[in-house]
Amino acid sequence: GAGVSQSPSNKVTEKGKDVELRCDPISGHTALYWYRQRLGQGLEFLIYFQGNSAPDKSGLPSDRFSAERTGESVSTLTIQRTQQEDSAVYLCASRTRGTGHEKLFFGSGTQLSVL
Amino acid sequence: AQSVTQPDIHITVSEGASLELRCNYSYGATPYLFWYVQSPGQGLQLLLKYFSGDTLVQGIKGFEAEFKRSQSSFNLRKPSVHWSDAAEYFCAVENSGNTGKLIFGQGTTLQVKP
Repeated sequence: GAGVSQSPSNKVTEKGKDVELRCDPISGHTALYWYRQRLGQGLEFLIYFQGNSAPDKSGLPSDRFSAERTGESVSTLTIQRTQQEDSAVYLCASRTRGTGHEKLFFGSGTQLSVL
Repeated sequence: AQSVTQPDIHITVSEGASLELRCNYSYGATPYLFWYVQSPGQGLQLLLKYFSGDTLVQGIKGFEAEFKRSQSSFNLRKPSVHWSDAAEYFCAVENSGNTGKLIFGQGTTLQVKP
């Protein structure tokens, strides 16, 4: 597609339920990132995939959070046993491999609300 | 640890007035610095970036930013603000190693008065 696509755009769930968020990066982009943006705050790095390398999970806030990526395409972010503090916009970004600190292309995000 | 501080949470300027959004960073080595803009309902868009060389960088939409190592700052400026510039602005620093992992500031919300 032309840009980074995320689905769903909005998700409302009950506390304790599991949710899956999807990200379709730009075709050909080898790197994929998940960020979280809580209300009134900046973006927090969650996880980073680069090609077939082991993902950098250093930003995941707890073991309830996990992410997978199939090759260099779709990624899913899973949050198990959701808590109210998980409510946020979850943003996905992708970029090409290179040496010039190429810019990230961001999706529009998934607004997650945990009731 | 690396960090980015945007001291102003909310700024209001009149259309046509000049704008400066502040950004301070904490990073041990040469930083790679970015400004992104987030308009309502849209993803983040890169305005400009600094890696090395000329400390005054030009970006899209008439924005520019100046890197000042002595002040650990990377302030964003625009000489004349348009109503369409109303949005949230994020300063970010990338760690070394070209990983693309960005550390963002908390953001500054810009409101433009007619």
